[in-house]
Amino acid sequence: GNSVTQMEGPVTLSEEAFLTINCTYTATGYPSLFWYVQYPGEGLQLLLKATKADDKGSNKGFEATYRKETTSFHLEKGSVQVSDSAVYFCALMKTSYDKVIFGPGTSLSVIP
Amino acid sequence: DAGVIQSPRHEVTEMGQEVTLRCKPISGHDYLFWYRQTMMRGLELLIYFNNNVPIDDSGMPEDRFSAKMPNASFSTLKIQPSEPRDSAVYFCASSFSGGQFNQPQHFGDGTRLSIL
Repeated sequence: GNSVTQMEGPVTLSEEAFLTINCTYTATGYPSLFWYVQYPGEGLQLLLKATKADDKGSNKGFEATYRKETTSFHLEKGSVQVSDSAVYFCALMKTSYDKVIFGPGTSLSVIP
Repeated sequence: DAGVIQSPRHEVTEMGQEVTLRCKPISGHDYLFWYRQTMMRGLELLIYFNNNVPIDDSGMPEDRFSAKMPNASFSTLKIQPSEPRDSAVYFCASSFSGGQFNQPQHFGDGTRLSIL
């Protein structure tokens, strides 16, 4: 079946550090891949997405590249800020007519 | 633009009581999802609708849970009778299947439910 695996958290970084959150997936065909972010007390919101192999999604300094050969979609940011502290969810969707499969989430804390 | 609107934001009630959570999806969206989030189990999909019709309710934990979508702009999730283990944050999300391929889901801010 379809599934998403993320690196376990929590992750704690100092401000301006480099961030990588690993995500790998299992799915047949060519799913679309997403990163969602959840700030404290809020719902999930889309951070970025990629719909085909080698696509790079980017937003707010975050990037992730759809790697079909390694079935991965790792999230990166060159310099994190305290305001990036949140839970990050990797997700996949096979088609527009299907449900989204979410990973377990990775909690990130950025300290000044 | 109005996002997904959930009410109430917080609900505290005693076990055995009926609880009703409400959701107004984004206008024009044809999919609606109900999720439950806990520390132990993470984010769980309970049920989802397409054009007001339930498509998959396999995530509904037991018969005490029910969901309805009487029209395109309103959905409810009901728990009767409620139990302490139902305490969680419940999210509603909506999405649009047409147009650009694979549109993302838009989440409400959730209802934090505490059953005493």
